[in-house]
Amino acid sequence: GAVVSQHPSWVICKSGTSVKIECRSLDFQATTMFWYRQFPKQSLMLMATSNEGSKATYEQGVEKDKFLINHASLTLSTLTVTSAHPEDSSFYICSARDRKNTEAFFGQGTRLTVV
Amino acid sequence: GEDVEQSLFLSVREGDSSVINCTYTDSSSTYLYWYKQEPGAGLQLLTYIFSNMDMKQDQRLTVLLNKKDKHLSLRIADTQTGDSAIYFCAERRSGGYNKLIFGAGTRLAVHP
Repeated sequence: GAVVSQHPSWVICKSGTSVKIECRSLDFQATTMFWYRQFPKQSLMLMATSNEGSKATYEQGVEKDKFLINHASLTLSTLTVTSAHPEDSSFYICSARDRKNTEAFFGQGTRLTVV
Repeated sequence: GEDVEQSLFLSVREGDSSVINCTYTDSSSTYLYWYKQEPGAGLQLLTYIFSNMDMKQDQRLTVLLNKKDKHLSLRIADTQTGDSAIYFCAERRSGGYNKLIFGAGTRLAVHP
């Protein structure tokens, strides 16, 4: 299957700082990318959907000014957690869908810990 | 409701078959998926089924779909210890960006 690379795998940051997470599709063009958040032992919660060159569509209850999503190219989307707080600590996972629009491939996830 | 529902835990003996069940909500969902997640890792797509199919088999995996009852199941034959993981079902909602909605995940534990 296609490869989606997420970086970093884990990050620890101080409260009040911003953290950027990258999601890259390595061998296909990702017209649509999704960002999820997963709490321990819970399901994936969709945060937002982005199409290349367009503004992201956020799910209800997700603060778009706090979770900035940029989908600047067909192979890269970034999620920036601004002014991070301990309650933002979570596992963030991206997925990417190609033009065929059949499957969504997932990155390996980023564990964010805010101290 | 809005939720995709799964039982949370399943324990099976090595060599037996495992059956993980899921109910979804949107009758117009086009695809239904099964993903596997190992600790600290992302999701691995195991298989998917198109909504006009009743069954799909792929080696040890069999997916059954009852569209009338919106019920999906995943059967793993000859379950091995390496199959221990969390299994998520997901429905692909029609419209908009065809987003995936996930169930809470079923933790499969395989014991000798």
